[in-house]
Amino acid sequence: VLMTQSPLSLPVTLGQPASISCKSNQSLVYSDGDTYLTWFQQRPGQSPRRLIYKVSNRDSGVPDRFSGSGSDTDFTLKISRVEAEDVGVYYCFQGAHWPRTFGQGTKVEFK
Amino acid sequence: EVQLLQSGGGLIQPGGSLRLSCAASGFTFRSWGMTWVRQAPGKGLECVAAVSMSGGSTDYADYVKGRFIISRDNYKNTLDLQMNNLRVEDTAIYYCVQGTTVPAFWGPGTLVTVSS
Repeated sequence: VLMTQSPLSLPVTLGQPASISCKSNQSLVYSDGDTYLTWFQQRPGQSPRRLIYKVSNRDSGVPDRFSGSGSDTDFTLKISRVEAEDVGVYYCFQGAHWPRTFGQGTKVEFK
Repeated sequence: EVQLLQSGGGLIQPGGSLRLSCAASGFTFRSWGMTWVRQAPGKGLECVAAVSMSGGSTDYADYVKGRFIISRDNYKNTLDLQMNNLRVEDTAIYYCVQGTTVPAFWGPGTLVTVSS
């Protein structure tokens, strides 16, 4: 399954919103009815950290400025107001099909 | 607190073998599938191999099939990746990851460098 993120580079302004798109070439709805789309954040020099799972479920400790939405093959990660700690690379991931695949990554950096 | 303690990386010549290990704690290991994910220098993330909760089912990326073996020990709470016939293009940071369909916690990663 091909996961296509856009943009690949996202210049942001502190306090402004930001949005990342992720599209798959196959439905991510699994046989159990759930949609296996996950978002990860990778800060410079760190391991990835899960932010959102099954499209829109925010992990414990993740600020509520992060939100996920979408369905089937079209998904979005939104940051309502970007903060300094949000700099890094964001990846979408599909767990509905093997091989599991990631998007190319979107680099979020300040203008 | 979930912890994934990784070991076993290093520098190896092409054609050589390495075994990566991941010691899990802070969660019920036998209740989670596990995955190895790698990241080549400056590149994105790739799922290399995954194993079911029991260890009875495994999946591999095409480019490692026949060379890598993923295994687990639910008594010792450990996950391993045996890597044989290593290639230069296998050079990457390898992460041990809790979960398969909805990966959760990631280990710190271990660097594998394949070079002559």
